[in-house]
Amino acid sequence: NAGVTQTPKFQVLKTGQSMTLQCAQDMNHNSMYWYRQDPGMGLRLIYYSASEGTTDKGEVPNGYNVSRLNKREFSLRLESAAPSQTSVYFCASSLTGGKRAKNIQYFGAGTRLSVL
Amino acid sequence: TQLLEQSPQFLSIQEGENLTVYCNSSSVFSSLQWYRQEPGEGPVLLVTVVTGGEVKKLKRLTFQFGDARKDSSLHITAAQPGDTGLYLCAGVGFNKFYFGSGTKLNVKP
Repeated sequence: NAGVTQTPKFQVLKTGQSMTLQCAQDMNHNSMYWYRQDPGMGLRLIYYSASEGTTDKGEVPNGYNVSRLNKREFSLRLESAAPSQTSVYFCASSLTGGKRAKNIQYFGAGTRLSVL
Repeated sequence: TQLLEQSPQFLSIQEGENLTVYCNSSSVFSSLQWYRQEPGEGPVLLVTVVTGGEVKKLKRLTFQFGDARKDSSLHITAAQPGDTGLYLCAGVGFNKFYFGSGTKLNVKP
């Protein structure tokens, strides 16, 4: 049972470099999310996708872009990394909306990103 | 500013003690969830409370949803070292989840 898989687990970037964080889920969930977690800040939503082909901004979208490639995959891209983007990034998925919605989020193990 | 405020932010107690963690908001949610996160892992759902005034028990953990569906509490009886972790509350909206800042619990043997 893979659940939500994130890659890579760790990454170190220099300021100005770009990278894409990958996320895939095998639970046939319609909604997927990207969060960042900083000390004392809980989880802050960056972007989410309620269904394949749609994406919406969350609380802290600046400096990030996302792609909902298909129902399984939701990627997060940093075009020009900044030290303020040093954080732990979590991807999550959920079955939301409709009669079958359970509104339970399943999280990946996280990507620890350092921007120097 | 956080939509959900949790208190306390940190809690360090001895094994066997009781504790309560609070989650407060000025907004009404259709439901509220509690997650537990261990170091190096993602959060895992503990419980969802839906009805105002609802109380749910999960072994030594008791969860309560406020009558007005704006606040919640988590009470742990006779805490054990295995309860150590970060506890997060989350308000459920339409397709979105709003997380609190978290309570970091350390239970010393």
